[in-house]
Amino acid sequence: RKEVEQDPGPFNVPEGATVAFNCTYSNSASQSFFWYRQDCRKEPKLLMSVYSSGNEDGRFTAQLNRASQYISLLIRDSKLSDSATYLCVVTNNAGNMLTFGGGTRLMVKP
Amino acid sequence: DAGVTQSPTHLIKTRGQQVTLRCSPKSGHDTVSWYQQALGQGPQFIFQYYEEEERQRGNFPDRFSGHQFPNYSSELNVNALLLGDSALYLCASSLYRRELYGYTFGSGTRLTVV
Repeated sequence: RKEVEQDPGPFNVPEGATVAFNCTYSNSASQSFFWYRQDCRKEPKLLMSVYSSGNEDGRFTAQLNRASQYISLLIRDSKLSDSATYLCVVTNNAGNMLTFGGGTRLMVKP
Repeated sequence: DAGVTQSPTHLIKTRGQQVTLRCSPKSGHDTVSWYQQALGQGPQFIFQYYEEEERQRGNFPDRFSGHQFPNYSSELNVNALLLGDSALYLCASSLYRRELYGYTFGSGTRLTVV
């Protein structure tokens, strides 16, 4: 079993749609949680950190459930520019090693 | 403020050869981590360097080795290249013990082994 699992997609959605991605992780000692965005043939870039209380950044909402070891990302009012691969990331208990999921590909169409 | 710089951007090598990839961290960062990203997969942690020592290592064979220099820059060396080593190699810099403040990734070196 992979340490961080994501549905690879692709998720094909029209502009303006709401889309949700989920992720599960196996290491209960994981320290911190993130969503990264990766455009085709580019480096990953931090989208947002994820907290148990839930956090929002504009059209993006992230949620963490430590008991279920489950992380989610909700994107509202999708834009064409949101098309990318979204990577779920957890750290080890020391916080110095990132473990990435395989990524979920999103394609937003006009 | 320079970000993370990696060189070369692309590289083609033959099976059995050796390769060295280079990384200069973001200004102010002292820690360098290396990741391997195969096509269609998420990045996988190779190792992390701080104060010129390997501090953490992922599940990679000894053919993968590294070095960090006094100016915090780093090299990744891969010996006896295999076809399966073809991937995007990403360098990420951070502040030691303050990684939660964020990692900055370079744009990577795309290695093709033929």
